[in-house]
Amino acid sequence: DAGVTQSPTHLIKTRGQQVTLRCSPKSGHDTVSWYQQALGQGPQFIFQYYEEEERQRGNFPDRFSGHQFPNYSSELNVNALLLGDSALYLCASSSDRGSGANVLTFGAGSRLTVL
Amino acid sequence: AQSVTQLGSHVSVSEGALVLLRCNYSSSVPPYLFWYVQYPNQGLQLLLKYTSAATLVKGINGFEAEFKKSETSFHLTKPSAHMSDAAEYFCAVTPGFGNEKLTFGTGTRLTIIP
Repeated sequence: DAGVTQSPTHLIKTRGQQVTLRCSPKSGHDTVSWYQQALGQGPQFIFQYYEEEERQRGNFPDRFSGHQFPNYSSELNVNALLLGDSALYLCASSSDRGSGANVLTFGAGSRLTVL
Repeated sequence: AQSVTQLGSHVSVSEGALVLLRCNYSSSVPPYLFWYVQYPNQGLQLLLKYTSAATLVKGINGFEAEFKKSETSFHLTKPSAHMSDAAEYFCAVTPGFGNEKLTFGTGTRLTIIP
């Protein structure tokens, strides 16, 4: 049973560019959350998608946007990249049903470097 | 608003010794609390969670944590450290059931001395 898969694993961009990161949730999960983990820090919540809608959002600017597709996969888009956007971006999936609520399954992340 | 504070960004223990990683929380509502572990170049893996049932929670790999409301603490312990326990550990909090907006601490890097 595949867990959460993210692509690409590593990428390098320059300031001002745009980036799209992709996530496929664990089988049976319908909710996708995105987190940003800067070097030496804990992950910070960006937003969460459920039924193709943004359900919750953290304290991130509008440059960060997302999308969820009918098959529950998700994309994170970041526009006008800044040096400070360099981080590991983690996708986590979960199920809204039953005892699995609140238990997130994380992917290995996409490491973004902005030069 | 919720927050967690992890005391000690680096902890070193000898193999076979007690592991104690500290986490204190702040929450305006009864919290749900979690411990996650992150191995190098990997995502986060859930160790254990507290969801207002038993205050002593047992997790995977021999870890456990005790919720102490009077001390606003949720410290992680393991009686005997193994070399494979070397990793980064994160404490996290959410406001309650169904809310998956986790607020993480800054992490504690655990080193095991042979």
